[in-house]
Amino acid sequence: DQQVKQNSPSLSVQEGRISILNCDYTNSMFDYFLWYKKYPAEGPTFLISISSIKDKNEDGRFTVFLNKSAKHLSLHIVPSQPGDSAVYFCAADPNNTDKLIFGTGTRLQVFP
Amino acid sequence: EPEVTQTPSHQVTQMGQEVILRCVPISNHLYFYWYRQILGQKVEFLVSFYNNEISEKSEIFDDQFSVERPDGSNFTLKIRSTKLEDSAMYFCASSAWGYTNYGYTFGSGTRLTVV
Repeated sequence: DQQVKQNSPSLSVQEGRISILNCDYTNSMFDYFLWYKKYPAEGPTFLISISSIKDKNEDGRFTVFLNKSAKHLSLHIVPSQPGDSAVYFCAADPNNTDKLIFGTGTRLQVFP
Repeated sequence: EPEVTQTPSHQVTQMGQEVILRCVPISNHLYFYWYRQILGQKVEFLVSFYNNEISEKSEIFDDQFSVERPDGSNFTLKIRSTKLEDSAMYFCASSAWGYTNYGYTFGSGTRLTVV
């Protein structure tokens, strides 16, 4: 069951540049999309979400874009900082359910 | 900042043994969840719990699994007879409103190793 896919297992970006993490989904009934960040030995930490009725949501250095026709969302981090180095999970909230469906994650490394 | 606390951080158990994973959710939260992540795979939903009953469960959450809120603070996941394939990182999470779009607060996880 691959309803939420993150096709890039890793991404390396220089400090100060933009990081773009991508996510694709197959189920058009998803209600909300979320991004979580995970450091080793810690649980996922909620970053930002977007409703399926919007195409952009911004919170500080983090912006999520949603392209419903392409069933694609992306997380932009500008400027990237070394502390952003972590695994980023895309997750989707199916309508009328109580759960999240996660992607497999993308490991972001921000180097000086 | 309030946090979800999970104990133990690592548990090793023999196949067939029962294990109980413990979680202390954030005190004013009303919705509780268990997720797991098998090494190298995605984080998977197991169960959600509200008002002292299961509100939703996945197909992974079979009869070997159970959850309980034995008192006002703890939320536990019990696996009755562990199998090798139960080896994973188990994450507890809690939420004040039950709306996933606000994001849950996850604990740091319990690494379960079944040998």
